Amino acid sequence: GAVVSQHPSWVICKSGTSVKIECRSLDFQATTMFWYRQFPKKSLMLMATSNEGSKATYEQGVEKDKFLINHASLTLSTLTVTSAHPEDSSFYICSGQPGTWGEQYFGPGTRLTVT
Amino acid sequence: AQSVTQLDSHVSVSEGTPVLLRCNYSSSYSPSLFWYVQHPNKGLQLLLKYTSAATLVKGINGFEAEFKKSETSFHLTKPSAHMSDAAEYFCVVSDMASNTGKLIFGQGTTLQVKP
Repeated sequence: GAVVSQHPSWVICKSGTSVKIECRSLDFQATTMFWYRQFPKKSLMLMATSNEGSKATYEQGVEKDKFLINHASLTLSTLTVTSAHPEDSSFYICSGQPGTWGEQYFGPGTRLTVT
Repeated sequence: AQSVTQLDSHVSVSEGTPVLLRCNYSSSYSPSLFWYVQHPNKGLQLLLKYTSAATLVKGINGFEAEFKKSETSFHLTKPSAHMSDAAEYFCVVSDMASNTGKLIFGQGTTLQVKP
C-alpha cells in the first residue's frame, strides 16, 4: 500500500515552454502533498506544500509564478514549470501524506531536461 | 529548531559485513524519526519509522534502528550487507515546530557495498 505515481518519469522540453508533472496517490487519500527538487548527489529540497482545494505554500526562494502547483483532489497534485529554462533542469519528486503529519510516501520522480 | 545530522557522507562495506549509518537529531519535541532509502534515479522508499513506541525499530530488508534519547541518535544498522543495499540513505525528522507535516532531511549517506 501507500503508492504514489508520477507522470511523466522523464521529459525533455525546449527553453521557454511549459511542462506539467502529475503526482497521484494510488491507494490512499493524501491530505497534503509536497513537491521537492533534487540536484545530483544532493538531498531533497522542499519547494512547496499543497493541501487539497487551497493554495500551495511555497518555501523561501521558490518562485510561485514559475512553479505552479494545483492540488485538485485528495489523490492528485500537479506541478507546472512555466517558461522553463535550462537551470530548471532537475529531478522533481512529489510525496503524499495521509494525515496531517508523519511519514510521507514518495513518487518515483520526474527527470526534467530543458534544452 | 529541529535538525538531523548524518555523520558520514559515504560508507563502504564488504558484502556480508554489518552496516552502520549514523544519524544524530536535534529536537525540542518528542521526535518522529524516519530512515528512507533512494536507489539511483528513483524516489524514496520508507525503511522504518520511530514514533515514540518501541525504541528499537525494525524495518524492511533486515534494517533496524535504535532511538537513543540520551545520545540524541537514531543509527541505522543491518547485520549483513547485500549488494542490493547500495544506495543513498536519508535520516529524516518530522518538523513538529511548523505543524505543517513537513520533513527535515539529513544530507544523505551513500552506502557502497563491495563484493
